[in-house]
Amino acid sequence: EPEVTQTPSHQVTQMGQEVILRCVPISNHLYFYWYRQILGQKVEFLVSFYNNEISEKSEIFDDQFSVERPDGSNFTLKIRSTKLEDSAMYFCASSEILGYTFGSGTRLTVV
Amino acid sequence: AQSVAQPEDQVNVAEGNPLTVKCTYSVSGNPYLFWYVQYPNRGLQFLLKYITGDNLVKGSYGFEAEFNKSQTSFHLKKPSALVSDSALYFCAVREYGNNRLAFGKGNQVVVIP
Repeated sequence: EPEVTQTPSHQVTQMGQEVILRCVPISNHLYFYWYRQILGQKVEFLVSFYNNEISEKSEIFDDQFSVERPDGSNFTLKIRSTKLEDSAMYFCASSEILGYTFGSGTRLTVV
Repeated sequence: AQSVAQPEDQVNVAEGNPLTVKCTYSVSGNPYLFWYVQYPNRGLQFLLKYITGDNLVKGSYGFEAEFNKSQTSFHLKKPSALVSDSALYFCAVREYGNNRLAFGKGNQVVVIP
């Protein structure tokens, strides 16, 4: 069964550093997403991406965040200057229209 | 704005007994509804979805859910729980016209042997 692959599985970074989280969506999917889950809290929408541009973003997705699809397979989330409150599990997802497949997540710890 | 409520923090059930995890939603218009399960240190695994049609939806691992429009509910059920069903269960809704899923806070299910 096709999978969404995320790397790394864990990342520890110092406050103020830039991080890039990587995702390989399912190849024939057209929509890509990032969600995050702060420990013990619900999963929150960050951004959706379609046709090489952001189609929707939440209030969490401020200027510190950016997304990119640098080639035909990868989808990245960049956090420019990490804060302690960015510590969370970050999930990438892709979909055709109404079938969402999530990756296993990247646990980001900001120290 | 779309939202989901999962009123219980934890659901305890004895192995072999029926399992129900409750979910109510709020959207403008027709909802698209989903259930996901999360095992420790793992991602979100899709269980089932309701888009249109039959109100009773059957999914993976013997789970099913019933869409009830008048009660705005989409409760997840399994006739006979297994210890391996112990996990965190998330209900999610998508509103027609946008792409984002809104998740509930999740329910921890504990199946007692």
